[in-house]
Amino acid sequence: DTGVSQNPRHKITKRGQNVTFRCDPISEHNRLYWYRQTLGQGPEFLTYFQNEAQLEKSRLLSDRFSAERPKGSFSTLEIQRTEQGDSAMYLCASRRGLADSYNEQFFGPGTRLTVL
Amino acid sequence: KNEVEQSPQNLTAQEGEFITINCSYSVGISALHWLQQHPGGGIVSLFMLSSGKKKHGRLIATINIQEKHSSLHITASHPRDSAVYICAVEKGGAQKLVFGQGTRLTINP
Repeated sequence: DTGVSQNPRHKITKRGQNVTFRCDPISEHNRLYWYRQTLGQGPEFLTYFQNEAQLEKSRLLSDRFSAERPKGSFSTLEIQRTEQGDSAMYLCASRRGLADSYNEQFFGPGTRLTVL
Repeated sequence: KNEVEQSPQNLTAQEGEFITINCSYSVGISALHWLQQHPGGGIVSLFMLSSGKKKHGRLIATINIQEKHSSLHITASHPRDSAVYICAVEKGGAQKLVFGQGTRLTINP
């Protein structure tokens, strides 16, 4: 399968615990995005990488959140000291960093986080 | 006010009907995307457009840059078209997406 993959697909954790999600983008895509989607809402931008460089972070990304993309391949999103408000679907997307008409974003299946 | 507004939020129709979902945006954009999301979360890109009109099968997407408005049309709708349809605009050099809240479409047989 050459699409975007995310692991785990579901995560249930207790408040205060740390969680880490992984995203494997399409191999030739140099841009990787993380979004968060709460129930009944559209996704919201969290952060984006161009290769290994994290170039933009949303104000939604508090200091409990950290993302990395070592070597410009897969990316991880870690949430420390989880809160119930962190419960959401975390979506990863990748694309080629070119301004051409076929430059769509490809989304992974998401990781659904439930914080008890 | 959200930068991207969709209407309607919910739409129920009978199989075979012509469907229109509207999207208005208030910011300068480099492109607009229409996306489909099925229960379980997976998002699929339907269209990316920066001008004019695109057609793929029974789906048609149009954009009017001057009016800051786009529409997604579905002809001869089918129950398998039932999903959430999301409009998203692309901003800035990062090409990040700003999403509307989605339109939940239900097509009854």
